Amino acid sequence: GAVVSQHPSWVICKSGTSVKIECRSLDFQATTMFWYRQFPKQSLMLMATSNEGSKATYEQGVEKDKFLINHASLTLSTLTVTSAHPEDSSFYICSARSLAGQGEQYFGPGTRLTVT
Amino acid sequence: GQNIDQPTEMTATEGAIVQINCTYQTSGFNGLFWYQQHAGEAPTFLSYNVLDGLEEKGRFSSFLSRSKGYSYLLLKELQMKDSASYLCVFSGGYNKLIFGAGTRLAVHP
Repeated sequence: GAVVSQHPSWVICKSGTSVKIECRSLDFQATTMFWYRQFPKQSLMLMATSNEGSKATYEQGVEKDKFLINHASLTLSTLTVTSAHPEDSSFYICSARSLAGQGEQYFGPGTRLTVT
Repeated sequence: GQNIDQPTEMTATEGAIVQINCTYQTSGFNGLFWYQQHAGEAPTFLSYNVLDGLEEKGRFSSFLSRSKGYSYLLLKELQMKDSASYLCVFSGGYNKLIFGAGTRLAVHP
């Protein structure tokens, strides 16, 4: 149980284009999902908290107009990187918090974004 | 402020026991997690402590002392596949997870 999927696994895009990343909880409902970014050999950095049916809460320093988050259902959240630039190249990971259990978060497999 | 300290790297021998320590400072505390992360993959949940004491889960055990802001992850009967980064993570306010930089463990034959 508690499986989270992400799509795509990796994507290469040209500078200036937009990329959408999907995060799905496959066997449980998640009212809250989280989006993280991780640069090589660094820790995961929380970008935003995504709440079903409401606006996402962004961490300080994260541009909400650049990283658009939509959480339309209890099993799906999407992150759209708009007007991507090479510095946006990173490993993007989503997680979903199970309503049961101890509040642990289950992570998707991640999406590696390369902007050329 | 919020801060997590754990060693950057550790090495150990297959079959041995290794203890990864973590100290933290936080203004709010809702529990401490340990996650394992292999290179290029997402973290996987290992353990959770919210009360003081030891939680045992197979080859892995985790200990917490809230008064000392201290936790450790104990790995027994090390296997080569245990080579990974181990992340000390605490849950602060609003269910946010605050990640440490991780400890890269290398297990040698």
